[in-house]
Amino acid sequence: EAGVVQSPRYKIIEKKQPVAFWCNPISGHNTLYWYLQNLGQGPELLIRYENEEAVDDSQLPKDRFSAERLKGVDSTLKIQPAELGDSAVYLCASSESGSNTGELFFGEGSRLTVL
Amino acid sequence: RKEVEQDPGPFNVPEGATVAFNCTYSNSASQSFFWYRQDCRKEPKLLMSVYSSGNEDGRFTAQLNRASQYISLLIRDSKLSDSATYLCVVKKGFQKLVFGTGTRLLVSP
Repeated sequence: EAGVVQSPRYKIIEKKQPVAFWCNPISGHNTLYWYLQNLGQGPELLIRYENEEAVDDSQLPKDRFSAERLKGVDSTLKIQPAELGDSAVYLCASSESGSNTGELFFGEGSRLTVL
Repeated sequence: RKEVEQDPGPFNVPEGATVAFNCTYSNSASQSFFWYRQDCRKEPKLLMSVYSSGNEDGRFTAQLNRASQYISLLIRDSKLSDSATYLCVVKKGFQKLVFGTGTRLLVSP
């Protein structure tokens, strides 16, 4: 069974440019997460979806970040315009709704470098 | 103060050694606890859950102390392949997981 798929794996852009990341969760997983991970830090939640509804976006910097999961499956995370401090790894994860196991399945991440 | 705090390390240990990591959490209402493992430049993966009574999985033992709000992970007979970052994770509320900064372990020959 395929795991969580993210693209692109790597992206280098200049500051003020837009960037978008795509995530395809594990089939049947209704809960989808976007996390941000800086070097030497743990993942920090940006947004969590239950199907197509964003149920927790309190940590998403809404002035420049946006996300969508229109059909409750794939999701995109966009940054516009990117700033130097946005350089990080953007991790997408999914889990079964109602699961109490605490197990999130992460994709390999999209590594962003802003110059 | 961060919700979940860990010593970032690195912990440098020789093969065969026993090593322990601690993690403290600030929210007494936290419900569930986990350890994740993250290899260098890879994604985090669930290592084990942490139960109130303590639990063991092979060379790994996890314990929870709710009164003192800390979680521990003990690794016995360390292997080279145990070198990784170990992330302490606390679940608060429905599906809301908070990750610590991670503790880096380096096992040398």
